[in-house]
Amino acid sequence: GQQLNQSPQSMFIQEGEDVSMNCTSSSIFNTWLWYKQDPGEGPVLLIALYKAGELTSNGRLTAQFGITRKDSFLNISASIPSDVGIYFCAGQTSSGDKLTFGTGTRLAVRP
Amino acid sequence: GAVVSQHPSWVICKSGTSVKIECRSLDFQATTMFWYRQFPKQSLMLMATSNEGSKATYEQGVEKDKFLINHASLTLSTLTVTSAHPEDSSFYICSARAAGQGKGTEAFFGQGTRLTVV
Repeated sequence: GQQLNQSPQSMFIQEGEDVSMNCTSSSIFNTWLWYKQDPGEGPVLLIALYKAGELTSNGRLTAQFGITRKDSFLNISASIPSDVGIYFCAGQTSSGDKLTFGTGTRLAVRP
Repeated sequence: GAVVSQHPSWVICKSGTSVKIECRSLDFQATTMFWYRQFPKQSLMLMATSNEGSKATYEQGVEKDKFLINHASLTLSTLTVTSAHPEDSSFYICSARAAGQGKGTEAFFGQGTRLTVV
């Protein structure tokens, strides 16, 4: 099946640093979602984006829905150790449709 | 937020046996449930979509006779891995979505089930 390409594949940063990751697709999505997955757990929704160009924040997290509807990025400001995990983007073509997941970005934070 | 519970969290079974995994929506009615499989260090791959009261829709390459899905009620879906083999060992995750949520149709995920076939 189709997958969304995420970059970088992994990041190892110092606590307090800002983080940026992005997700690109060859096809258009009408909804972009960002999830975080801890080891041995299911994904947890962080931010949902519904409109091209939309910029949405959730605490230290900010995500944007690309104008072309083929990409999205997620920023984490002032990272903390509990930000460690795998971040997945997911795209949805229409409301109620299945999700297509990205390849994931693995984040490690050094205290 | 909505709660989705999976059971068991982990299971070890012998090759050739069948294993059933349950996915329950605890505080909402889920007309649609999704089953994913995730191999180590990989992304979630959708296996099938199930709608309450109807047959599941399987993704290409997923054997419907091997991965039996039942969605008999609005709060419960089950995935049965029949005649399991070591290559079926994986992390299985369900998600559930309520009907008529409009923009809030993103699914909520269970905590996953780690299946190991020996």
